Amino acid sequence: EAGVVQSPRYKIIEKKQPVAFWCNPISGHNTLYWYLQNLGQGPELLIRYENEEAVDDSQLPKDRFSAERLKGVDSTLKIQPAELGDSAVYLCASSLGSGEYNEQFFGPGTRLTVL
Amino acid sequence: LAKTTQPISMDSYEGQEVNITCSHNNIATNDYITWYQQFPSQGPRFIIQGYKTKVTNEVASLFIPADRKSSTLSLPRVSLSDTAVYYCLVVMTGFQKLVFGTGTRLLVSP
Repeated sequence: EAGVVQSPRYKIIEKKQPVAFWCNPISGHNTLYWYLQNLGQGPELLIRYENEEAVDDSQLPKDRFSAERLKGVDSTLKIQPAELGDSAVYLCASSLGSGEYNEQFFGPGTRLTVL
Repeated sequence: LAKTTQPISMDSYEGQEVNITCSHNNIATNDYITWYQQFPSQGPRFIIQGYKTKVTNEVASLFIPADRKSSTLSLPRVSLSDTAVYYCLVVMTGFQKLVFGTGTRLLVSP
């Protein structure tokens, strides 16, 4: 069974440019998460989807970040415009359900460097 | 959300048992304790989850005392490939938000 797929794996952009990350969760997983991970820190939740609905986006900086999961399957996270402080790894995860017993499966992440 | 505290780093040798203790003093009655492992350039991977006493699976054991204010992840006979960062999380019942701390960096040497 394929795991969570993310692309690209690496992205280098100049500040003020837009960037987008794509995630395809494990087949059948209704819940999808986007996390941000800074160097030496644990992941921090940005947004959580139940099917196509964003049920927790309280930590998403909405002035520059946006996300969508239009058909309840794959998802895109966008930053526009990017700032130097956005350099980090962006992780996508999925789980079969939304209960606390459901383990989250993480993708390899996209490493973003903003110059 | 219950805050967790774990050692920043630990060193071990191949074949030894490693115990990583996590403190979570303000854990709530229905919270679960969950551990994830993360290798460089990879996302975290679920290891084990428990509520009380002891849980064991094919890779680790989780010991939780009666007061549940701490927990210990036990890795039997570690190998070089167990070198990773280990995160202790407290997950609220019905609330799927995971709060990761800085984790424990385990280095296993030959």
